[in-house]
This record gives sequence, C-alpha cells and structure tokens, in this order.
Amino acid sequence: LAKTTQPISMDSYEGQEVNITCSHNNIATNDYITWYQQFPSQGPRFIIQGYKTKVTNEVASLFIPADRKSSTLSLPRVSLSDTAVYYCLVGGAGANNLFFGTGTRLTVIP
Amino acid sequence: GAVVSQHPSRVICKSGTSVKIECRSLDFQATTMFWYRQFPKKSLMLMATSNEGSKATYEQGVEKDKFLINHASLTLSTLTVTSAHPEDSSFYICSARETDDSPLHFGNGTRLTVT
Repeated sequence: LAKTTQPISMDSYEGQEVNITCSHNNIATNDYITWYQQFPSQGPRFIIQGYKTKVTNEVASLFIPADRKSSTLSLPRVSLSDTAVYYCLVGGAGANNLFFGTGTRLTVIP
Repeated sequence: GAVVSQHPSRVICKSGTSVKIECRSLDFQATTMFWYRQFPKKSLMLMATSNEGSKATYEQGVEKDKFLINHASLTLSTLTVTSAHPEDSSFYICSARETDDSPLHFGNGTRLTVT
C-alpha cells in the first residue's frame, strides 16, 4: 500500500505555473499515479494519470522521475478558478485499496 | 464521457431513520464502485468497495450492518445508512471504475444531515 505525502497548502498568483509534488516512496511496480481536483461540496474530478516519465493533457502535465518515488503535477498559468484541493492517488490496476492522502489546498491569489 | 450520477445531493433525516443513496454510472459499465466519506476540511475516507453481484468489502472500522451497500448491476450501487444518528452526518461520495486500469470517476456527493 503506497502512502502518499503532499504539502498541506500552497498559494500562487494568477497566471503563474504551479507545481505540486507528491511523495510515494513505497510505490509498487504495477501502481499508477493519478491526480484529482476537488472543489468544496463536490466529488473529486480526474485531472491526469501516468505510470512513468511525462504525461500531458489539455489541463496539466505530470512528471514522474525514473525511480517513481514521487510525482509532480504541473498546472500552467493558474486562474482563480483553479483554487481547490489536489490529491494524488497511487494504486495498481484492479486495486481496491485506493486511499486518499491529505491533499494540497491550492489558493490562487489575484 | 465517464459520468457518475449520485442522488440525492442533499438529504436531511431524523435520527433513527434510514437513508438510501444511489450511485449510477451513466455512460459506462462499472465493475467496481467505491464509497467514500468526507468530513469538513478533511480528506476522503474509503468506506467500502463493491463489485457487481458480490458482497461489498468494508474497510476496518466501518460497520457493514450500518452502511449497507448493494451493487445490483454494472451501473448502479446503493449505500443505505440504517438507523442514522447525528454522528453519521457527513458528505458521502461514490466513485466508479470502468476497467481495472482506468481512473476513478466520482459522483458529486451527498450531504447527509441527521437531526
């Protein structure tokens, strides 16, 4: 079971790039890394998923070093609407023990 | 695609009554559904995992007789909070997974308030 550790909170100004790092030192060989965004009183929303190296989609990039013991979610040019809690989730294909860590509360400042 | 609908979004009930929450995958078949509980400003806590047609697997500390989970079809799972008490008041969120290596897709949650 790969436990995750993230910073509790981060602040950023509008228009800046934000990088949120998640540590998962005991990640297993078949574990994927998935990031979610959650707004108050809503369910989490899928952002991006990766296994190794770099993944990019229309909203974010995910960087995973070779040892896979950490991952970094990169949000380009954040806006006020990106203020939310971001969670990284580590789990293998077919795994049912999908536990969330503390998440990172990102506050975007005008 | 990959939409999960959760109903109701908000419910208030009296202590001692039971409440049923529905979770539906609208455009995909979900072999596995997950139920989470979240307290204010806290992270999501996994309550149980259910696979279609089989009994749910509950996490340690979650009373299976109190939180009844039924996964009757590949698109529907229900959570029934039986004999609810004020301490059961919380935000309940379901999620569904289309295939073993696909990400979780979440419903919008149900705010339960027990008076």
